[in-house]
Amino acid sequence: RKEVEQDPGPFNVPEGATVAFNCTYSNSASQSFFWYRQDCRKEPKLLMSVYSSGNEDGRFTAQLNRASQYISLLIRDSKLSDSATYLCVVNYEGYQKVTFGTGTKLQVIP
Amino acid sequence: DGGITQSPKYLFRKEGQNVTLSCEQNLNHDAMYWYRQDPGQGLRLIYYSQIVNDFQKGDIAEGYSVSREKKESFPLTVTSAQKNPTAFYLCASDAGQGYNEQFFGPGTRLTVL
Repeated sequence: RKEVEQDPGPFNVPEGATVAFNCTYSNSASQSFFWYRQDCRKEPKLLMSVYSSGNEDGRFTAQLNRASQYISLLIRDSKLSDSATYLCVVNYEGYQKVTFGTGTKLQVIP
Repeated sequence: DGGITQSPKYLFRKEGQNVTLSCEQNLNHDAMYWYRQDPGQGLRLIYYSQIVNDFQKGDIAEGYSVSREKKESFPLTVTSAQKNPTAFYLCASDAGQGYNEQFFGPGTRLTVL
């Protein structure tokens, strides 16, 4: 089983739709979690950290479910500019490197 | 402006040649990383360094070498031993301690002719 798994997509959604991505991780000792966004042929950029209590930033909501070992990203009212690949990232305590998922591609259609 | 710079943006080399990719950061970060990304695939860790004069192999270190003589700099050499070096190379840094988000440079796209 991969350490971090994501559905590669693509998810094709109309403008204004709500879309959700999940990411599962295998190491129960994982301590920190992030969502990154990567545009085509560009570097990944931090979208948001994921906190145990869940957190929201505008149209984006991230949640963590430690019992089932997954994190989720919800995007409401999708915009054309949300089209990108979304990478799930997991970090393990005391092991100073992160593990990236392979990404979920989102295409928002006019 | 604080950030990470990588140079060059595009690089072409002939088979059998070594090439060095530059990565510099002025974020005062302790940890630095090199990743490789192939089309349609995720990031794979090549090397990382948690402190000056120390570095560890990642998942795909064969055919690569690094140095960390200064906190700000973490150059990556792609040697002729790397069998399939054409890829997008990304350098990243973070504050260390295992909990922090990473910041990425703009990447170098290497093509072997």
